[in-house]
Amino acid sequence: NAGVTQTPKFRVLKTGQSMTLLCAQDMNHEYMYWYRQDPGMGLRLIHYSVGEGTTAKGEVPDGYNVSRLKKQNFLLGLESAAPSQTSVYFCASSPHWGEITEAFFGQGTRLTVV
Amino acid sequence: SQQGEEDPQALSIQEGENATMNCSYKTSINNLQWYRQNSGRGLVHLILIRSNEREKHSGRLRVTLDTSKKSSSLLITASRAADTASYFCATGGAQKLVFGQGTRLTINP
Repeated sequence: NAGVTQTPKFRVLKTGQSMTLLCAQDMNHEYMYWYRQDPGMGLRLIHYSVGEGTTAKGEVPDGYNVSRLKKQNFLLGLESAAPSQTSVYFCASSPHWGEITEAFFGQGTRLTVV
Repeated sequence: SQQGEEDPQALSIQEGENATMNCSYKTSINNLQWYRQNSGRGLVHLILIRSNEREKHSGRLRVTLDTSKKSSSLLITASRAADTASYFCATGGAQKLVFGQGTRLTINP
């Protein structure tokens, strides 16, 4: 059972380039999340999805777009990368029983924008 | 702004001692969760306490919740070197899971 898988694990982008981070989960979870983690800032929620075909903004959505075309996949896109988007990105998924319970995390994607 | 704030930001103790971390939050919650992150890894769920619970135990972990003060604490008893990690509280609502900034715990052998 793979759990939550993120690809790629590392990436270096030039300012202005675009890329898509892929998150895949095999636990049939309804809810999926994208977070970024910066030193001293903890995890900040970028976007989240409560089901296939739905997405919503989190705390820091600017500069990012997401899509949830299939229940098992949640894509995070950067249309025009900026150095401020250098961070470690984590995807997570969670079952939902009227409230958010345990979230399962991927191993992270370390993105550097130069 | 983030929902939870952990205190202290960093804690260093000797192996065998107890470690206590605190979390304060701002709005009403359904539950509060604690996660652990080893260096360079993803977060791992440790324990969940619901808003109508005051205390919960899991192995060497003890969590308390005081909804009147909007605060929670995580106690790790008889610490081990392998407990060295960052610990985060997260507040669970109907749709979102919002994390605090974390406490970096170092256990010295």
